[in-house]
Amino acid sequence: DSGVTQTPKHLITATGQRVTLRCSPRSGDLSVYWYQQSLDQGLQFLIQYYNGEERAKGNILERFSAQQFPDLHSELNLSSLELGDSALYFCASSVGALAGGTDTQYFGPGTRLTVL
Amino acid sequence: SQELEQSPQSLIVQEGKNLTINCTSSKTLYGLYWYKQKYGEGLIFLMMLQKGGEEKSHEKITAKLDEKKQQSSLHITASQPSHAGIYLCGAVSGGSNYKLTFGKGTLLTVNP
Repeated sequence: DSGVTQTPKHLITATGQRVTLRCSPRSGDLSVYWYQQSLDQGLQFLIQYYNGEERAKGNILERFSAQQFPDLHSELNLSSLELGDSALYFCASSVGALAGGTDTQYFGPGTRLTVL
Repeated sequence: SQELEQSPQSLIVQEGKNLTINCTSSKTLYGLYWYKQKYGEGLIFLMMLQKGGEEKSHEKITAKLDEKKQQSSLHITASQPSHAGIYLCGAVSGGSNYKLTFGKGTLLTVNP
């Protein structure tokens, strides 16, 4: 158990809908990262928040948004869902602001999103 | 942008055999991470390497970062069925925008 929690574990929805994925980082971690994993694209970095502020952005679509709240939990909002958005969405957390060098990311168990 | 290529893409070994997985970067590696993933589950952190020539071990798994810091290898000694899974290498992109880029992964099957 990494200490990172994600809810829900599974989510099934229809095209055009909007969903919210939730992540609670490990105790003491200030950074939260979101990733999307699919069979064809592999594990793709979406966005990072550090202590409530956006720190780094990856391949995140405009239909997707995220935020980190004062209690440091984070939510990833996916809207106007398409079939291609079906994937595993992972949250990770780390102590500091940087993804590497001196920091380690610990991953949650993921949310499996199925868009029908 | 940085790209990581892992080889082989998949590997089937007999229990007790040794094996090596490689991760090659298109750019200098500032930090190289190895993770293991069971299918459909979260990633488990294995090791992080930072310095050229660095080598770390955890139980029967050893990872090295070469001197030129563009390649890393993961070696498993006397493999067991519990070693089965997907091994992913991740690397830090330099500059002011630090983020992890991952390879596509190596699927390891260990037959008893």
